[in-house]
Amino acid sequence: EAQVTQNPRYLITVTGKKLTVTCSQNMNHEYMSWYRQDPGLGLRQIYYSMNVEVTDKGDVPEGYKVSRKEKRNFPLILESPSPNQTSLYFCASSLGPRGVHPHTFGSGTRLTVV
Amino acid sequence: GEDVEQSLFLSVREGDSSVINCTYTDSSSTYLYWYKQEPGAGLQLLTYIFSNMDMKQDQRLTVLLNKKDKHLSLRIADTQTGDSAIYFCAESFTGGGNKLTFGTGTQLKVEL
Repeated sequence: EAQVTQNPRYLITVTGKKLTVTCSQNMNHEYMSWYRQDPGLGLRQIYYSMNVEVTDKGDVPEGYKVSRKEKRNFPLILESPSPNQTSLYFCASSLGPRGVHPHTFGSGTRLTVV
Repeated sequence: GEDVEQSLFLSVREGDSSVINCTYTDSSSTYLYWYKQEPGAGLQLLTYIFSNMDMKQDQRLTVLLNKKDKHLSLRIADTQTGDSAIYFCAESFTGGGNKLTFGTGTQLKVEL
């Protein structure tokens, strides 16, 4: 089944403790991205990647890092999480960087930073 | 800049039609999308429309695009309780790579 898989689904952590949320897709998609969803704000893009070793900032990149060493994986790294990063995170992928290529979204990771 | 707005709530009776509205500001939008989010789930693509189209129909779903007014709507015919969810409109635009700019989401509640 074609899908985007995120892990973990739920995570509670403490301020300052580094964490990684993994994202993997099995569709050989070139384009991958991370969004966060907050009440009343919709989804906002954090980082995106056009291909292996090509990443760029989205609208809200502060406090996050990403890497794209392989085509299928695009982990999101929080080096020193803070409570304002408590949110619902979605990874997405698409065949290419153009709007004609719809995104497939993962099921989400609900992160709580205390 | 990009800004996409939606009303927050909509309540309809089962069997009625639902119309969810969205306005956007970026005139260079190329594709506009409707996503559905059920509780605890990710976003499911419902349908999308290219910006040079006025209308697209897909079974119970009808998308209308008024490019002059920058207004997008999603009509769900014969709304069922399984349609209860949050609906997001989103746009991608020329020069934006494939970034999606999302609205705030409309929570649709279908009552018996």
